[in-house]
Amino acid sequence: GENVEQHPSTLSVQEGDSAVIKCTYSDSASNYFPWYKQELGKGPQLIIDIRSNVGEKKDQRIAVTLNKTAKHFSLHITETQPEDSAVYFCAASMEGYSSASKIIFGSGTRLSIRP
Amino acid sequence: EAQVTQNPRYLITVTGKKLTVTCSQNMNHEYMSWYRQDPGLGLRQIYYSMNVEVTDKGDVPEGYKVSRKEKRNFPLILESPSPNQTSLYFCASSPSPLGKGGAVGLGAQYFGPGTRLLVL
Repeated sequence: GENVEQHPSTLSVQEGDSAVIKCTYSDSASNYFPWYKQELGKGPQLIIDIRSNVGEKKDQRIAVTLNKTAKHFSLHITETQPEDSAVYFCAASMEGYSSASKIIFGSGTRLSIRP
Repeated sequence: EAQVTQNPRYLITVTGKKLTVTCSQNMNHEYMSWYRQDPGLGLRQIYYSMNVEVTDKGDVPEGYKVSRKEKRNFPLILESPSPNQTSLYFCASSPSPLGKGGAVGLGAQYFGPGTRLLVL
């Protein structure tokens, strides 16, 4: 079945620096890749997503890149701020004409921003 | 306010005592799903529902049951809880999976605040 690997499991960066989280997926049919941010005591919240017909997507300080050939995608956060400290999850799913509505999450990355 | 609510938020129970965790959404979403979150394992899907009376197994359905009698509610039932079901549970919902051209997809999911369950 589909598997999503996420690295690193923990990441500490200086405030103002950039942070990069990487994920690889196994099922080449996957075509939708969301990223979720989970703050302490809360449920995950979608922060950005990308579909397989796009190689890069950006939203202010957050960007996601997708390499379909290599089957990996990455989250980039620039000019990190203390409020970026959270656990981040990548995920992969298949959108299509079937009932394939399962979504597989990575194991998460705990990002800490040092003041 | 658009939201997904879960109850209870915290629950301590004993092995074998049936329990139900409720989930409700007020966004008229067709798709709903349950996940469990365990350290180092991320979020794993338990069950999902494409619409009323339509449910299907996720990756870790053993020991769980669900029902979808109404669009807004999607309860998770543990008939005989065991200690390995101690976990943090999340309910999520998503708008109609039927997008343009009939494509089926999840799009963005909205998660509830979580239910922390301890089975002794």
